Formats: sequence, C-alpha cells, structure tokens
Amino acid sequence: AQKVTQAQTEISVVEKEDVTLDCVYETRDTTYYLFWYKQPPSGELVFLIRRNSFDEQNEISGRYSWNFQKSTSSFNFTITASQVVDSAVYFCALSDGPYSSASKIIFGSGTRLSIRP
Amino acid sequence: DVKVTQSSRYLVKRTGEKVFLECVQDMDHENMFWYRQDPGLGLRLIYFSYDVKMKEKGDIPEGYSVSREKKERFSLILESASTNQTSMYLCASSSKTSPGYFGPGTRLTVL
Repeated sequence: AQKVTQAQTEISVVEKEDVTLDCVYETRDTTYYLFWYKQPPSGELVFLIRRNSFDEQNEISGRYSWNFQKSTSSFNFTITASQVVDSAVYFCALSDGPYSSASKIIFGSGTRLSIRP
Repeated sequence: DVKVTQSSRYLVKRTGEKVFLECVQDMDHENMFWYRQDPGLGLRLIYFSYDVKMKEKGDIPEGYSVSREKKERFSLILESASTNQTSMYLCASSSKTSPGYFGPGTRLTVL
C-alpha cells in the first residue's frame, strides 16, 4: 500500500534560517511521482514540484531545493534563507503512475511551517 | 493560467440535507479528484474520475457519491449530510502531462 509520512507536525524558525521538511514514502510501484504542495493561510493548495521515480537528480528553484533519495525513500524539501511569506502548511504527496486511469495522489499529513520575523 | 473553480467557498447545511459541491476545470484534464481536509489528517481522497462517467472510490467514499457527466465538471454529492462531514473539501484535476492543480476549497459546516 502507498503511504506518505511527514513526521514533523510543526516547525518554527527565525527568518533567514534554513529549514528542511522531511518526507518519507512507501510504494511497491517502480514508476511513481512525488510532489510538494504549499498551502498558505488563504487555503488554496499551490503546486511546487513534481519528480518522477527515475530522476534522482536534486532540484533547485531559487531558495527552494529538493533532495530525492530512493535508497531511503525520502523526498526532502529545503528552504534556504527563509522568509515570513514561506509560512504555510507544506504537503508531500505520491502518485502511483503518470496520471493513468489507476493513478491517484496520496498526501502526507502536512508540516506547518512558521517563520518568525 | 490554469484554473480549477469550486462553486462555493463556504457552505452551511443542516443534518439530513442533500448537498452538492461543484468543481469545474478549464484545462481539459482527464483526471479529477475530490479530497477532504481535516486537522491532523492531511488530505484524504474521497473519489476520483479518470474520464467522463468513470469514477473510482478513494480511501473514504462512505457517505459520498460523485457525478461526471462532462469532462470539465466533477460533482461531489452528500446524499444525507451528517455532522461528521463538516470539513474542507478540495477539488483537483490533472492529466498525463500536468500535475494536480487544486481549487480554492469549500468549507462545509453541517449543523
């Protein structure tokens, strides 16, 4: 069965600190996708990144970076030089295929990130 | 600009009422999803659809049904609303080449 675990329920850091959000997943599929979404106080889920299971290359986008390691079934998200606007709930998610008829997106329980000025 | 819209941001209903939540996407996506979000539980999948008139149960389908008569529209139906269905409901759509995009959510309160 598929499962996504975000062990950190809440994290609070001071502005400009770096912070890493952990995500561990379980799946028996060899082809799958991993995602990160951001949910700011407004409530709308914002797509951040999608990574397929064959691409373990780390990705950097501005202050955001993602570390995908199949050996440990982890897909961690790091925010460098955090800002108050980064305060949100962040969700890691897993999909079992390239949007085939059987694919569905399973979410972790989320990590609430608070950035203090 | 991709767009998923939901018919209401806030909804208050009484126990036993039939409730319709509507979701429309303008991206020609094949897949559409309904989730509910509750504190500490993350997002749980209720139903999803990968084509018109096709539907599959998610993890918590009990008490819900869905309808997809047109590709762009996916409706969630609560046949007889109960207080334990008070929640935030989120709709999403996706395709083979596009990840899941979400609507703004409907916060449903059942009294």
